[in-house]
Amino acid sequence: EVQLVESGGGLVQPGGSLRVSCAASRFTFSTSAMSWVRQAPGKGLEWLSRISGSGDNTQYADSVKGRFTISRDNSKNTLYLQMNSLRAEDTAVYYCARDISSWYLSSWGQGTLVTVSA
Amino acid sequence: DIQMTQSPSSLSASVGDRVTITCRASQSISNYLNWYQQKPGKAPKLLIYGATSLQSGVPSRFSGSGSGTDFTLTISSLQPEDFATYYCQQSYSTLITFGQGTRLEIK
Repeated sequence: EVQLVESGGGLVQPGGSLRVSCAASRFTFSTSAMSWVRQAPGKGLEWLSRISGSGDNTQYADSVKGRFTISRDNSKNTLYLQMNSLRAEDTAVYYCARDISSWYLSSWGQGTLVTVSA
Repeated sequence: DIQMTQSPSSLSASVGDRVTITCRASQSISNYLNWYQQKPGKAPKLLIYGATSLQSGVPSRFSGSGSGTDFTLTISSLQPEDFATYYCQQSYSTLITFGQGTRLEIK
């Protein structure tokens, strides 16, 4: 069974930066697109970004474009989300998900909580 | 962006009931519509992809229908473990969007 484990969440001040990671196993990571999705407390799901298996192609939601950067290290089977210029409204649980052909998100990690507060 | 609107936002039902949740897209999305189930404190779980295809391991009481702009998720006979929040999601656009969710509660 696919396994995705996020880490790196925590408390960060407004304007600060944080990088969250997603360790993947039990599938061929290097050929699989991946996405990040977040969920603010008590709110719905918001897709943030996608990266192709090779890492050559990326897409971003308007809400994070220019502030967040998605990347991957296929040698480590790890996905990253670098988050800069963080705002209170970025407070959320951040999930990584396996993205099947930009069609559906077949497997999800358990999430990591990012809190932006002074 | 393509907007996804679910109805109702919340729903109360009993074990054994047949339940239908609707999702409407702001433009035609063909069959690029997926459904997820999320229980409190847990990650979402894929139920249906491509509007009608049941994800492996998902019970057959779940089914999806629709194309274009109007879609439905049907649970034929509610089980206790089905009480959760359900989200639709479009992938017609490379910029994925989700519906606001439908919370299914026990009556």
